[in-house]
Amino acid sequence: EIVLTQSPGTLSVSPGERATLSCRASQTVPSTYLAWYQQKRGQPPRLLIYGASMRATGIPDRFSGSGSESDFTLTISRLEPEDFAVYYCQQFGDSTWTFGQGTKVEIK
Amino acid sequence: QMQLHESGPGLVKPSETLSLTCNVSGDSMRRYTTYYWSIIRQPPGRGLEWVAYVHFSGSTNYNPSLNSRVTISMDTSKNQFSMKLTSVTAADTAVYYCARAVSQLRGDFWYISLWGRGTLVTVSS
Repeated sequence: EIVLTQSPGTLSVSPGERATLSCRASQTVPSTYLAWYQQKRGQPPRLLIYGASMRATGIPDRFSGSGSESDFTLTISRLEPEDFAVYYCQQFGDSTWTFGQGTKVEIK
Repeated sequence: QMQLHESGPGLVKPSETLSLTCNVSGDSMRRYTTYYWSIIRQPPGRGLEWVAYVHFSGSTNYNPSLNSRVTISMDTSKNQFSMKLTSVTAADTAVYYCARAVSQLRGDFWYISLWGRGTLVTVSS
């Protein structure tokens, strides 16, 4: 099973600032098998990024993904009030799909 | 536009079986061979855990951490898929989501593109 470790656990950021979230895999994950989701309280997750760097339909361009092999990053260039949420990475690289434990982005 | 709706028991007693049904509306499941119909759960205040998926071909895959307690199936005539989890304990208390994972042939991209709203299942006597 591929373990995904997200850091930091909580990120305190002011609106308008940049947020950088990390997702590290215990072994290589093909980029096409790495996705990022946003989850707000009481809601299901929403797809943000697939293929490590491809924005899903309707996702603002302030969200961007990068990385390869075992090191992936989600960047929110200028935080808007609606971006304060929990973010998860997920991999489909082996038969057991796994999620990272999440990074909470909170208002500083 | 396709939507997923969970139907679950709300409360299940320890050692009993949890049965969850996901109803698909807005389109026919049988039209799509690139979708993997999935169950994902989230214990209160915690992260996401993939449970299982079923594909149109009939293939299934399960999270090994569930120790063979889970089975998933689909019924295209009813446009739904279902999960059974046996011998439940308090650790199985969670919001259970129905989800549609996509294997996009062009580019070999994989992702979950659609989620239900989730249903809370509590295991308690």
